[in-house]
Amino acid sequence: NAGVTQTPKFQVLKTGQSMTLQCAQDMNHEYMSWYRQDPGMGLRLIHYSVGAGITDQGEVPNGYNVSRSTTEDFPLRLLSAAPSQTSVYFCASRAPGLAGGRPQYFGPGTRLTVL
Amino acid sequence: AQTVTQSQPEMSVQEAETVTLSCTYDTSESDYYLFWYKQPPSRQMILVIRQEAYKQQNATENRFSVNFQKAAKSFSLKISDSQLGDAAMYFCASPRGRTSGTYKYIFGTGTRLKVLA
Repeated sequence: NAGVTQTPKFQVLKTGQSMTLQCAQDMNHEYMSWYRQDPGMGLRLIHYSVGAGITDQGEVPNGYNVSRSTTEDFPLRLLSAAPSQTSVYFCASRAPGLAGGRPQYFGPGTRLTVL
Repeated sequence: AQTVTQSQPEMSVQEAETVTLSCTYDTSESDYYLFWYKQPPSRQMILVIRQEAYKQQNATENRFSVNFQKAAKSFSLKISDSQLGDAAMYFCASPRGRTSGTYKYIFGTGTRLKVLA
């Protein structure tokens, strides 16, 4: 099993450019999330999904879009990149149930720099 | 706002010694789990241990154990017989609440653990 995969691993954008961070999982997990990690701030939830066709906002959703057309894929779109979106982005997935006790499985992260 | 607080930005421990990382949280949920994740320099997030809030018994995974005090909303991680490979950032996570039938988790700001040879 590949687990959770993310592409690309590194990306440099100019302000105003758009791009999509890809995330895929092969564990048939219904729940998927996107986080960003900034120094001194831990991981903050951007968007999440509880299944195909269902998404919801996290703590810091502004400037990002998501969609979930299949169980496996959960892409994150930056509509118009800004320097404040320079960060490391993590995708995670987990199985439902157990009162939220199923652990999250994380991808390797994407380091994004916006100039 | 519901929060997760890790008050120690950085800790050091001598190899083979024991260290405790602290975490306090604030949730209004009654049935929930708490997690500790490790992030080594490779950046990969790895589950260390989880604790079910309903269980009185503290969770243990080999050299890792928790001291869970539900009333105080405290969830500390104890690492025994520290090894060089334990050097990493450690994050605790607690549920923030439920929407769409599932919990959203929030993470603390992390504690960087250094292991001294």
